[in-house]
Amino acid sequence: NAGVTQTPKFQVLKTGQSMTLQCAQDMNHEYMSWYRQDPGMGLRLIHYSVGAGITDQGEVPNGYNVSRSTTEDFPLRLLSAAPSQTSVYFCASRRTGLETQYFGPGTRLLVL
Amino acid sequence: QQPVQSPQAVILREGEDAVINCSSSKALYSVHWYRQKHGEAPVFLMILLKGGEQKGHEKISASFNEKKQQSSLYLTASQLSYSGTYFCGTEYFATGFQKLVFGTGTRLLVSP
Repeated sequence: NAGVTQTPKFQVLKTGQSMTLQCAQDMNHEYMSWYRQDPGMGLRLIHYSVGAGITDQGEVPNGYNVSRSTTEDFPLRLLSAAPSQTSVYFCASRRTGLETQYFGPGTRLLVL
Repeated sequence: QQPVQSPQAVILREGEDAVINCSSSKALYSVHWYRQKHGEAPVFLMILLKGGEQKGHEKISASFNEKKQQSSLYLTASQLSYSGTYFCGTEYFATGFQKLVFGTGTRLLVSP
């Protein structure tokens, strides 16, 4: 099993550009989540999904969109990037609630 | 809402003990503990479930006070490899789904 994979590993964007961060898992997990990590702020939940077609907002959802058309994939879309979205983004998955969560390797995003 | 972790940072000598605390204002169903090394993804240590079940690490223990919505992670006879940032994750029901949010982290440095 590859576990949780994320692409790209690193990305530089200009303010106003859009992009999609990819996340995939091959463990047949129902729950998938996106977090952002900033110095001193810990891991903050952006959006999460409890199954294909079901998503919900986390703590910091503004400026990000998600959808979940398959169990395996959970892409995160930045519609119009802002410097405040410079961060490290982690995707994570777990089989169901109350289970171990596995993190992907992260995507470093720099918005100029 | 992010749980509150304390202390923010700890410096230990090898062999010493440490306790990291985590508290939440939400009614919790589980508490998760993770360790992150610099530049890497968080790695699962332990999960404590409402009702007392624990799953996780052999050399690290934790407690979960369900009445107070508090958890503590106990690191005994610390090793150099214990250095890193520790995050607690708290799981609660929101808008019908189980949401897992993390604290701001506790930096632990173990020196020889």
